[in-house]
Amino acid sequence: GDSVTQMEGPVTLSEEAFLTINCTYTATGYPSLFWYVQYPGEGLQLLLKATKADDKGSNKGFEATYRKETTSFHLEKGSVQVSDSAVYFCALSDRGNAGNMLTFGGGTRLMVKP
Amino acid sequence: EPEVTQTPSHQVTQMGQEVILRCVPISNHLYFYWYRQILGQKVEFLVSFYNNEISEKSEIFDDQFSVERPDGSNFTLKIRSTKLEDSAMYFCASSDARTGMNTEAFFGQGTRLTVV
Repeated sequence: GDSVTQMEGPVTLSEEAFLTINCTYTATGYPSLFWYVQYPGEGLQLLLKATKADDKGSNKGFEATYRKETTSFHLEKGSVQVSDSAVYFCALSDRGNAGNMLTFGGGTRLMVKP
Repeated sequence: EPEVTQTPSHQVTQMGQEVILRCVPISNHLYFYWYRQILGQKVEFLVSFYNNEISEKSEIFDDQFSVERPDGSNFTLKIRSTKLEDSAMYFCASSDARTGMNTEAFFGQGTRLTVV
């Protein structure tokens, strides 16, 4: 079945540091890939997405590129801020599934210190 | 901006009691979902619902769970006899998912269920 593996946290960085959160996936077919973010005390918000190979999703300074050859969708940001502290979830949606349910990774907690 | 709304935000219930979690999906969406997140763990799919019936469900979604769209706007998750291990954050989501098109799911803020 489908699965998503992401690096375990917590990841602790200083403000303005470079961020990478690794995500790899296993899926049948050609999934769409997503990063969701969960700020403290809040629900899940879509951060960015990519629907086909070599697509780059980007939002709020975050980027991730859909790499079919390495089955990866790593999240990057050049300069993190304290306000980026949250839990980040990588997810996939396999178009073969009716309703396009999401399969999530375990989440990576990011803590950014001033 | 349209959003998915869930009520209540926090529900405390005694073990063995029935609970109903409520959701109002985005109005023109076609697919509705329930996910749960046990504290500190990953978000897990429970069920998807389309055209007034369950389209897919996980092994978590056993006979004690049921979903319903009682009217044109609400989507509910019922847990018949709650157990301690049902304590989790329950997220409702909806999408305008159609084969080959945008598959983005929009999530509500969640209902934290605490079974005591």
